[in-house]
Amino acid sequence: DTAVSQTPKYLVTQMGNDKSIKCEQNLGHDTMYWYKQDSKKFLKIMFSYNNKELIINETVPNRFSPKSPDKAHLNLHINSLELGDSAVYFCASSQVMSREQYFGPGTRLTVT
Amino acid sequence: ILNVEQSPQSLHVQEGDSTNFTCSFPSSNFYALHWYRWETAKSPEALFVMTLNGDEKKKGRISATLNTKEGYSYLYIKGSQPEDSATYLCAFREQGAQKLVFGQGTRLTINP
Repeated sequence: DTAVSQTPKYLVTQMGNDKSIKCEQNLGHDTMYWYKQDSKKFLKIMFSYNNKELIINETVPNRFSPKSPDKAHLNLHINSLELGDSAVYFCASSQVMSREQYFGPGTRLTVT
Repeated sequence: ILNVEQSPQSLHVQEGDSTNFTCSFPSSNFYALHWYRWETAKSPEALFVMTLNGDEKKKGRISATLNTKEGYSYLYIKGSQPEDSATYLCAFREQGAQKLVFGQGTRLTINP
């Protein structure tokens, strides 16, 4: 059973389009995260939700909007995609914020 | 801006040898230090969460130590095996903060 799953795994799209990446966890965790792996391969936090409430909102363009319909899901919607949005996006979850995080397989987004 | 640095950036080790590498983080306002193992084409997998100065954790042939006063953690691998080849990430959490700040990783390659 996959603990943290993301769809799609690969996403190729054109500049200006709007796209969503979905994340689901079946671990019963309360906290979920979105990370972006930047060009230098660093993992940078974008957002975090705890029990459907936004608790971390880093300096991210407002074209990026997370949505958490329930505790098990955290989706990432991106409007007006730009070339610089090309990256690998990872979803993660943890039981509470202080515990280890479980990562999804990543979504490689390519904007052309 | 929090600085989490890992050294070396990459490391080649002969199978059977033992190795270690370092994570440096701010020595003030420490809350927790995480270690993750990230195999190519997979997602990061939690190894340890360390919270107390002087902590030592072990999982099989992998162990980690923590010095919060001087701001470093060592990860040790004893008797390296090819399956240990991966990028090892550390992540620091500051007191009062909710996010993890990741280092850039140490890429370990075990030569058979």
